Amino acid sequence: EDQVTQSPEALRLQEGESSSLNCSYTVSGLRGLFWYRQDPGKGPEFLFTLYSAGEEKEKERLKATLTKKESFLHITAPKPEDSATYLCAVHILTGGGNKLTFGTGTQLKVEL
Amino acid sequence: KAGVTQTPRYLIKTRGQQVTLSCSPISGHRSVSWYQQTPGQGLQFLFEYFSETQRNKGNFPGRFSGRQFSNSRSEMNVSTLELGDSALYLCASSLAPLGRTDTQYFGPGTRLTVL
Repeated sequence: EDQVTQSPEALRLQEGESSSLNCSYTVSGLRGLFWYRQDPGKGPEFLFTLYSAGEEKEKERLKATLTKKESFLHITAPKPEDSATYLCAVHILTGGGNKLTFGTGTQLKVEL
Repeated sequence: KAGVTQTPRYLIKTRGQQVTLSCSPISGHRSVSWYQQTPGQGLQFLFEYFSETQRNKGNFPGRFSGRQFSNSRSEMNVSTLELGDSALYLCASSLAPLGRTDTQYFGPGTRLTVL
């Protein structure tokens, strides 16, 4: 069965304290891995798509990397406005067609 | 450019009733996907519509159905509501269907509470 696991479930950082969020997956036929950010009461906001092992993408203080079994979202010198839930999702092709399977997210809190 | 809009934002229903949720995609987007988000299960894919045709489907019972109109607006219907259907229902739009696009834009969601 396809599985996506995110860790940790929750993370509390001090402003400026860099860290990484993990997304590990067990799927057949990965077609892409997505990272989203979700603020309370809002829908997820697209951050990155990664397609192949070794690929990296950056946006401001965020950098996403991909290996054959997991992806990392590195947050460098975070600020309080980076506080949110970060979701990863894998795009796979099943008998029912294309499908996105999401992890349950990492809730990040950045404090002053 | 206006984002994805969903109506209503909040809804309270009782068990056994049915409900219809609406999603208007970003102008020019022809693909609409629906998701259910709960604290226990996270975000789960329901189905995707592109050019009025259901292209992809998740693992949900037949009580969950949808449709898309010629203007790309989509509706999702849940019949015979159960307590476990209480969730945030999100729709996402994209220019092309899953498999041919790498970016989906989500709406704010409809919070459904079943009593």
